[in-house]
Amino acid sequence: EAGVAQSPRYKIIEKRQSVAFWCNPISGHATLYWYQQILGQGPKLLIQFQNNGVVDDSQLPKDRFSAERLKGVDSTLKIQPAKLEDSAVYLCASSIPGNEKLFFGSGTQLSVL
Amino acid sequence: AQSVTQLDSQVPVFEEAPVELRCNYSSSVSVYLFWYVQYPNQGLQLLLKYLSGSTLVESINGFEAEFNKSQTSFHLRKPSVHISDTAEYFCAVSYSGGSQGNLIFGKGTKLSVKP
Repeated sequence: EAGVAQSPRYKIIEKRQSVAFWCNPISGHATLYWYQQILGQGPKLLIQFQNNGVVDDSQLPKDRFSAERLKGVDSTLKIQPAKLEDSAVYLCASSIPGNEKLFFGSGTQLSVL
Repeated sequence: AQSVTQLDSQVPVFEEAPVELRCNYSSSVSVYLFWYVQYPNQGLQLLLKYLSGSTLVESINGFEAEFNKSQTSFHLRKPSVHISDTAEYFCAVSYSGGSQGNLIFGKGTKLSVKP
């Protein structure tokens, strides 16, 4: 079974630039999550989708972060403009609705200079 | 605010020694508890979970954790560790009534097993 795919693996940008991350969840997983993991901290949920609808985006900094899952499969997370404090690993996870087990991708490591 | 505390950021142990990784969470009416593991250069993987029922839960590779409601703890233990257990371990909690995936993670504990 293919896992959660994320790209790119690494990204280095300068502050005020824009960046986008892509996630392809496990086939059949209707629920998709984006987490942010800052160095030395645990992952923090940014946004949760059920199919193409947003379930929870209470911790998403909406002034600069946006995410979409137009066809209920792949998802993109965008940061515009980036700040130094956005340097982190961005994790995508997916699950079957009603199942508490999350499957995580390897993440995208973002460095904002 | 709801939180998860992992008291030890790093735990070095020798192979075949016992280990306990500590986890405490802020009190709430009903919680689901998880341990996730991240091996080097890999994504997070679910190690074990407590949803209800028996307070002692086990993983397939010899780890176990016990839900202690009175102490609001969910410590992870293994009686004899292997080199291959070297990884970072994250305790996580979700609260009933919240969205399913809104896991609150601790900061992680890096377990380093030495020969």
